[in-house]
Amino acid sequence: GESVGLHLPTLSVQEGDNSIINCAYSNSASDYFIWYKQESGKGPQFIIDIRSNMDKRQGQRVTVLLNKTVKHLSLQIAATQPGDSAVYFCAEKPRNTGNQFYFGTGTSLTVIP
Amino acid sequence: GAGVSQTPSNKVTEKGKYVELRCDPISGHTALYWYRQSLGQGPEFLIYFQGTGAADDSGLPNDRFFAVRPEGSVSTLKIQRTERGDSAVYLCASSLTGGQMNTEAFFGQGTRLTVV
Repeated sequence: GESVGLHLPTLSVQEGDNSIINCAYSNSASDYFIWYKQESGKGPQFIIDIRSNMDKRQGQRVTVLLNKTVKHLSLQIAATQPGDSAVYFCAEKPRNTGNQFYFGTGTSLTVIP
Repeated sequence: GAGVSQTPSNKVTEKGKYVELRCDPISGHTALYWYRQSLGQGPEFLIYFQGTGAADDSGLPNDRFFAVRPEGSVSTLKIQRTERGDSAVYLCASSLTGGQMNTEAFFGQGTRLTVV
């Protein structure tokens, strides 16, 4: 099966600081990636996506970086707020499967007020 | 609707019973996905629909699981002879397109199934 893993299962940051959540993926055929945020009792919420022809994409307070050479993805959250506390998943979509998103186990982000 | 809607939000059933889980995707989205999420894990793919047809059902764990999408909109995931190991959150997602066209997939809140 696919292996999408996260380097740190938990991350605690001070409110106002920047957060960086990392993700390693194993399939070099993956050409589309999504970061999801999941709060307790809710479904995953789309944050930002990136295609493999890009190495950086910015959204509102979030930036995703893609390094295809080392198969690494990161999510940067600027000025982290208490409402950012959640589990964050990266999901990859290999070109050769066409349909499936593969998810990692997630990183739990806790923002300390 | 504004987002993906799943019903019921919670379902408790006895071992051996049959259950149906419903998903209303975002209007106009042709691609629909079912995932299953166990506690502390990421979602695992079950099945993908493009329109009315199941384009990829490789994630269904066994023949007790079946899903339909007869009119290309609402989908129902059906589980026969439920087992305690089927207990999980069942998530539905939809996207504007699927397959080789990569567009963001939006998830519903899930149905928490508990088999006792």
